[in-house]
Amino acid sequence: QVTLKESGPVLVKPTETLTLTCTVSGFSLSNARMGVSWIRQPPGKALEWLAHIFSNDEKSYSTSLKSRLTISKDTSKSQVVLTMTNMDPVDTASYYCARTYYGDYYFDYWGQGTLVTVSS
Amino acid sequence: QLVLTQSPSASASLGASVKLTCTLSSGHNNYAIAWHQQQPEKGPRYLMKLNSDGSHNKGDGIPDRFSGSSSGAERYLTISSLQSEDEADYYCQTWGTGSVVFGGGTKLTVL
Repeated sequence: QVTLKESGPVLVKPTETLTLTCTVSGFSLSNARMGVSWIRQPPGKALEWLAHIFSNDEKSYSTSLKSRLTISKDTSKSQVVLTMTNMDPVDTASYYCARTYYGDYYFDYWGQGTLVTVSS
Repeated sequence: QLVLTQSPSASASLGASVKLTCTLSSGHNNYAIAWHQQQPEKGPRYLMKLNSDGSHNKGDGIPDRFSGSSSGAERYLTISSLQSEDEADYYCQTWGTGSVVFGGGTKLTVL
């Protein structure tokens, strides 16, 4: 059974750095065909892709947020970590991780999401 | 530029069928997409990957009531025998080299 679970702070202050962890089970981060993406959704708005990472350590980032994002993985812990610097209230959103196919970058399993609020 | 366009809303009656549309931007007619469903207050759920030739592979446990088809730059999601739990937001998603794009979503109301 494939599961993904996001964890991290529910509240961060403006200018702080957000660190989110996605813990996966039911598949391995060493699987060459699969990786993990991060996607976010501001309240009442559409989904927005942020970044993905694969077993060969190939990474890609949203063009608009690239300067603020870093994605990494710890295969032994089955975890993928996303950091986002210089948080702003507009970054308030639910953050999801999702299993991603290599090459065809679609998501076949999603985590439940975690709501992050940016406020002083 | 790779863009997906969806109508903001759609509605259909309980037990009826509805066809949602996702349109690929010019020059991207051969792109595959994926459809995702997001019920109120829940996370998204993968429905299917839909290829340009209309072939599709559905996610685990997705009922036969959900099907996909393609025509040119249009990608369709058809839901038949609508049930109340089908009331949700539906997002299409596609990808380019190292990038991913979502449509703006269609809010489906079941009357």
